[in-house]
Amino acid sequence: GAVVSQHPSRVICKSGTSVKIECRSLDFQATTMFWYRQFPKQSLMLMATSNEGSKATYEQGVEKDKFLINHASLTLSTLTVTSAHPEDSSFYICSARAGRTDTQYFGPGTRLTVL
Amino acid sequence: QKEVEQDPGPLSVPEGAIVSLNCTYSNSAFQYFMWYRQYSRKGPELLMYTYSSGNKEDGRFTAQVDKSSKYISLFIRDSQPSDSATYLCAMSGRTGNQFYFGTGTSLTVIP
Repeated sequence: GAVVSQHPSRVICKSGTSVKIECRSLDFQATTMFWYRQFPKQSLMLMATSNEGSKATYEQGVEKDKFLINHASLTLSTLTVTSAHPEDSSFYICSARAGRTDTQYFGPGTRLTVL
Repeated sequence: QKEVEQDPGPLSVPEGAIVSLNCTYSNSAFQYFMWYRQYSRKGPELLMYTYSSGNKEDGRFTAQVDKSSKYISLFIRDSQPSDSATYLCAMSGRTGNQFYFGTGTSLTVIP
């Protein structure tokens, strides 16, 4: 099946620093990638949708200047949390959609802890 | 009204039981229906994917879609402790990108 990887799996950083999370589709080309945030025991919250080569579409309430998304190629999207604060601590999960299929394949997630 | 409703549980069953997980939805335009399994601190894993109404079986898992009632189900036969996880339903319409997820049902299978 389709495999999506994320790196790093876990990151701890100081308040005020920026953190970059990579999402890669390993065996397929992802026309669309999605970034989600998940708090403990809660469902997925869609943050943004990105299409290769174009600007990401952010959900209401998500600051695009704080959560920078770059979908540089058909296999790579990055999420940069700029000037991270403790309230940004969360589980960030990416997913990728292959071609015209109507399903998403998820990465394993990145746990971000901001001290 | 939420687009997708899912009972959060928690649901606790003995090993070997048949488990029924359900979601209801309000948008008649949904065409694609998915079930994901998510273990603690991991990303969701696609379990079943169905298009339109009907049943689909894969091993111990059966996905059922009733578009007339706007109701989807996932059945797990001979449940195992390794099935203990959160199960998320998801669906999308014809036009693609917009996906809607349920809140997830937490399942524990007791040995």
